[in-house]
Amino acid sequence: RKEVEQDPGPFNVPEGATVAFNCTYSNSASQSFFWYRQDCRKEPKLLMSVYSSGNEDGRFTAQLNRASQYISLLIRDSKLSDSATYLCVVNLLTGGFKTIFGAGTRLFVKA
Amino acid sequence: EAQVTQNPRYLITVTGKKLTVTCSQNMNHEYMSWYRQDPGLGLRQIYYSMNVEVTDKGDVPEGYKVSRKEKRNFPLILESPSPNQTSLYFCASSLYGGNTGELFFGEGSRLTVL
Repeated sequence: RKEVEQDPGPFNVPEGATVAFNCTYSNSASQSFFWYRQDCRKEPKLLMSVYSSGNEDGRFTAQLNRASQYISLLIRDSKLSDSATYLCVVNLLTGGFKTIFGAGTRLFVKA
Repeated sequence: EAQVTQNPRYLITVTGKKLTVTCSQNMNHEYMSWYRQDPGLGLRQIYYSMNVEVTDKGDVPEGYKVSRKEKRNFPLILESPSPNQTSLYFCASSLYGGNTGELFFGEGSRLTVL
């Protein structure tokens, strides 16, 4: 079983739609959580950190459920420019420090 | 401009020919890391460094070496490249370590080993 699992998609949605991605992690020693965005053949860039209390940044809302070990990302009012791959990222401290990336969920927003 | 710079961006080489991918950051970050990205597998950590002269293995260190002699540089060395090291490589840095802050990535180095 992968340490961080995401539905690879692709998710094909029309402009203006609301779309949600989930990510599950297997290691309960996981300490911090992030969503990164990666455009085709480009480097990943931080979208937002994820906190237990939930956090919102404009059209984006991230949520963490430690009991169930999953992280979610909600995108409201999707734009064409939201088309990208969204990477779930988990950091854990196990003797050393480790960053684990999910394989990503592809989103296509269509006009 | 704050950035992570990798070179070369594209490289085609042959099996066994030693190569080095350089990585440099100008943000005075303590933490640096190398990843490889393969289809369906996502980014996998090769090596990371918490500070100068401190390096540690990630998930897939076999066939790679690193060094951190200066804070700004973290080169990735392939002593004897093999075709299974064909991949997209990313270097990243963070102020104190990814646990507490954003990872800044270089633009990537696409390596093909024939």
